[in-house]
Amino acid sequence: AQSVTQPDIHITVSEGASLELRCNYSYGATPYLFWYVQSPGQGLQLLLKYFSGDTLVQGIKGFEAEFKRSQSSFNLRKPSVHWSDAAEYFCAVGVPNTGKLIFGQGTTLQVKP
Amino acid sequence: EPEVTQTPSHQVTQMGQEVILRCVPISNHLYFYWYRQILGQKVEFLVSFYNNEISEKSEIFDDQFSVERPDGSNFTLKIRSTKLEDSAMYFCASGSGGETQYFGPGTRLLVL
Repeated sequence: AQSVTQPDIHITVSEGASLELRCNYSYGATPYLFWYVQSPGQGLQLLLKYFSGDTLVQGIKGFEAEFKRSQSSFNLRKPSVHWSDAAEYFCAVGVPNTGKLIFGQGTTLQVKP
Repeated sequence: EPEVTQTPSHQVTQMGQEVILRCVPISNHLYFYWYRQILGQKVEFLVSFYNNEISEKSEIFDDQFSVERPDGSNFTLKIRSTKLEDSAMYFCASGSGGETQYFGPGTRLLVL
């Protein structure tokens, strides 16, 4: 069965530091992969997605993610975190032709001044 | 930039009551979805809807749930007889068919 694991429930980084949020998936074929961000009181905003092609994808707000098939991972990175990046981050895998997204547990990012 | 909107933002209801959660998808989208997130748990897929019919549903989406697109702009989720365990944040999403889904801000439902 398809599943998504985000091993880190909570991460704290200092403003200006680099960030990597981990995501591992279980899926039989090449998945569609997504990262969403949820700020308090807001909906899920799409940060970036991977369908095929270049395994390093760029998203909004300076985020990027790298698809590594051998590790079944799709980790999210940002070179320098801003205080406004504090939010909850969700990794998701899309099951083609069903419209179904399977989400990870989410990682809460706290940014220290 | 077009957005998915949802109303109400919060709803409190008594167990056994019917609730209707409303969504206005992005205007040129044809695919519509509902998800829910029970507090402290994962976001879970409920149902997808295309061409006026359900295309996929999860085991959560039992006979107590129904969806409808009553007009050209709204997409609704009805829970016929709410249970305590239906308390959750409900998210609507829409897409143009390219697998990417755009989410609304959610409706927080509390069943007492």
